[in-house]
Amino acid sequence: NAGVTQTPKFQVLKTGQSMTLQCAQDMNHEYMSWYRQDPGMGLRLIHYSVGAGITDQGEVPNGYNVSRSTTEDFPLRLLSAAPSQTSVYFCASSYFRDQPQHFGDGTRLSIL
Amino acid sequence: DAKTTQPTSMDCAEGRAANLPCNHSTISGNEYVYWYRQIHSQGPQYIIHGLKNNETNEMASLIITEDRKSSTLILPHATLRDTAVYYCIVRPPSGNTGKLIFGQGTTLQVKP
Repeated sequence: NAGVTQTPKFQVLKTGQSMTLQCAQDMNHEYMSWYRQDPGMGLRLIHYSVGAGITDQGEVPNGYNVSRSTTEDFPLRLLSAAPSQTSVYFCASSYFRDQPQHFGDGTRLSIL
Repeated sequence: DAKTTQPTSMDCAEGRAANLPCNHSTISGNEYVYWYRQIHSQGPQYIIHGLKNNETNEMASLIITEDRKSSTLILPHATLRDTAVYYCIVRPPSGNTGKLIFGQGTTLQVKP
């Protein structure tokens, strides 16, 4: 039982590039979400999903896309990277949205 | 979601109990108190949660006052590995997004 696995752990991009941050969980959790963490800002919700095929926006969704084709995977796509998206990204999952959430160890993303 | 207030930082001697307070005077009757922690460079980790009664698990105990306006997280025998930022979060039982609102938290430093 690996929990929530995020890849890559570190990434450097140039402005305008696109990339996908991967998140996978092996706990059969229905709810998955993406947060970003910036100094002095706490964690902010980007997108979330309550089950396969269902996604919705959080509080800071602009510049990011998500999809949920399987229960296990919830990738986060940066369409055209901007320096303002330099952050640490965390993926979380739980059985349902109101249950305790398990977090991955994060992806540290720098955009030059 | 109710706002929480926590001390910015606390110290604790290794082997002693760490008592972390949280004020949530505007909590509603159906809102739960959750505690998470974040060890440096790792994702947040769920610790414990409760509604009215005191709760205990293998990691910690949660004491909620009778009026539910404040709570205390107790780590019974703190170790150096418990050094982290501790977040007290209040959330309803079925929030629309499942979003966790992380405030500034309490930085707990466990000293030898």
